[in-house]
Amino acid sequence: AQKVTQAQTEISVVEKEDVTLDCVYETRDTTYYLFWYKQPPSGELVFLIRRNSFDEQNEISGRYSWNFQKSTSSFNFTITASQVVDSAVYFCALSEAETDSWGKLQFGAGTQVVVTP
Amino acid sequence: DGGITQSPKYLFRKEGQNVTLSCEQNLNHDAMYWYRQDPGQGLRLIYYSQIVNDFQKGDIAEGYSVSREKKESFPLTVTSAQKNPTAFYLCASSGQGARDSPLHFGNGTRLTVT
Repeated sequence: AQKVTQAQTEISVVEKEDVTLDCVYETRDTTYYLFWYKQPPSGELVFLIRRNSFDEQNEISGRYSWNFQKSTSSFNFTITASQVVDSAVYFCALSEAETDSWGKLQFGAGTQVVVTP
Repeated sequence: DGGITQSPKYLFRKEGQNVTLSCEQNLNHDAMYWYRQDPGQGLRLIYYSQIVNDFQKGDIAEGYSVSREKKESFPLTVTSAQKNPTAFYLCASSGQGARDSPLHFGNGTRLTVT
């Protein structure tokens, strides 16, 4: 069963528009981590944020912000005032305490963000 | 600079041949991982190793093999038994106490088998 769902396959916006990426997860663990990674066209995955299950405080980092809601099992990501350099595939991922390694991530299918000038 | 090096960036092989993908890290990380990415899909875990000379199967280990003889190196062999080997392969590592250390990824190797 899919543990991380990113329902949006692709989002296209014009520069300076805001864009919100949805992520819904499923787990029985009370302890887990959620991640967002960015994959630019060059292919490498760039770590953006990690959030543990006990910290529901929203976070802002520059133009990026994250909204974690355990009640709806969601960890959404917003890019404010998008720029062309934000064009990439964004992955949401889950790491559960029941596994023997925190590096065993369950990834969503990714959302392609296209920002046009 | 510390990081993870995967080589080569592009790899082409004929069907039926085994091929080994290289992954080297100088981050002094204990744990290393191999993920596979197919178009339009997220990454799936192939194998992982938490210490030298030890490794475990991930979700899609069939048709793959690994070794971990050195802390810095975690090569992945795609064998002829892998039915759909064409994919993008990403290597990653994390430090001790991985809950405090996010995965660091290499730049990936794109394997094409014809």
